[in-house]
Amino acid sequence: DQQVKQNSPSLSVQEGRISILNCDYTNSMFDYFLWYKKYPAEGPTFLISISSIKDKNEDGRFTVFLNKSAKHLSLHIVPSQPGDSAVYFCAASDAGYALNFGKGTSLLVTP
Amino acid sequence: DTGVSQDPRHKITKRGQNVTFRCDPISEHNRLYWYRQTLGQGPEFLTYFQNEAQLEKSRLLSDRFSAERPKGSFSTLEIQRTEQGDSAMYLCASSLLGTGLDEQFFGPGTRLTVL
Repeated sequence: DQQVKQNSPSLSVQEGRISILNCDYTNSMFDYFLWYKKYPAEGPTFLISISSIKDKNEDGRFTVFLNKSAKHLSLHIVPSQPGDSAVYFCAASDAGYALNFGKGTSLLVTP
Repeated sequence: DTGVSQDPRHKITKRGQNVTFRCDPISEHNRLYWYRQTLGQGPEFLTYFQNEAQLEKSRLLSDRFSAERPKGSFSTLEIQRTEQGDSAMYLCASSLLGTGLDEQFFGPGTRLTVL
């Protein structure tokens, strides 16, 4: 049973615009959420995280928003750059070790 | 490079053979994780170690799979009697317990193809 869902397999955005990637989860025990970026033939690279006690965390061009009541989080990338083109995975944890991943969203940023 | 390293990067084997993968975590990290990723899916948790102790195993880790971390540093993942369904990317990650949020840092993975 998929506890973390990324319902958009792909997203295309123009360079300079905002990219919004969405993620929903079903397990209310999840207390820690992360976003990873993955290029082909490489392992996932950690981007940004947020704990359940916060509703927003920002790091440069990347901001993660958490809506616990809706069990929803999103990653905003502003401004989007061609180098941001990759697969983005949302992950969540409830026990501090195993990460539960979504299936990923492939982002394409076009010039 | 002081990131997580994995060896080999690619492995092609015939069904029924045994394979072993190695993971070297970031040197000061005390937690080490194994995940498996198949096409179109996100990584799936297999098992994790805190120092040399294996503390959790997923139901995905059948009895043909065994993982070790003998001295709390590098880890090995062995698959015995490989099956075609074992074809996947095997990812290793490490983290440092006690730094607050437990961010896991991943290696490049070992891609296994079972013919």
